[in-house]
Amino acid sequence: TQTVSQSDAHVTVFEGDSVELRCNYSYGGSIYLSWYIQHHGHGLQFLLKYYSGNPVVQGVNGFEAEFSKSDSSFHLRKASVHWSDSAVYFCAVSGSNNRIFFGDGTQLVVKP
Amino acid sequence: DMKVTQMPRYLIKRMGENVLLECGQDMSHETMYWYRQDPGLGLQLIYISYDVDSNSEGDIPKGYRVSRKKREHFSLILDSAKTNQTSVYFCASSFSSQNTLYFGAGTRLSVL
Repeated sequence: TQTVSQSDAHVTVFEGDSVELRCNYSYGGSIYLSWYIQHHGHGLQFLLKYYSGNPVVQGVNGFEAEFSKSDSSFHLRKASVHWSDSAVYFCAVSGSNNRIFFGDGTQLVVKP
Repeated sequence: DMKVTQMPRYLIKRMGENVLLECGQDMSHETMYWYRQDPGLGLQLIYISYDVDSNSEGDIPKGYRVSRKKREHFSLILDSAKTNQTSVYFCASSFSSQNTLYFGAGTRLSVL
């Protein structure tokens, strides 16, 4: 059974703060791990992905994520957030059959 | 231009009416998906299509069917819509080997 858990439903920070959005997964076999962003009223947009190699992957707009096999985690980080980063962030896990499972999302609010 | 287009964007139907949601993509992606998104429930996979006439049920297929007669086009059909099918529906596509989804902007369906 594949599961994706995003433990924080809401995260509020101030502009310029750093942020970490947490994602834990359970999945048997080789996996892809991804993060997507959804601005209000829009579809999801791909941020970054990990499959193998360097466990720290860089995405767009200064986001990065770190894969940890021992912790079964793929947390998303940004060193200095901007108000435009306010959105819902989804972690996703997928295997070789193209079935992609999403977490419930974390709403990030960036206050000025 | 890499795009997933959903039509219509907004739709109001009465219970028992038939509903057709349409999705097109211009990237020649083999795999296409239909998800629904409800508050607090994240994204739930309804159907996945691996290519023309090669469709598989997702996690919540009951009450839905799909049609894919051309690679670039994937339709979701609700025969006799129910009020609990009120939701936002997202179509997505991907190259089979890359597991990165491209989403449409969504269709907000209200069944009264």
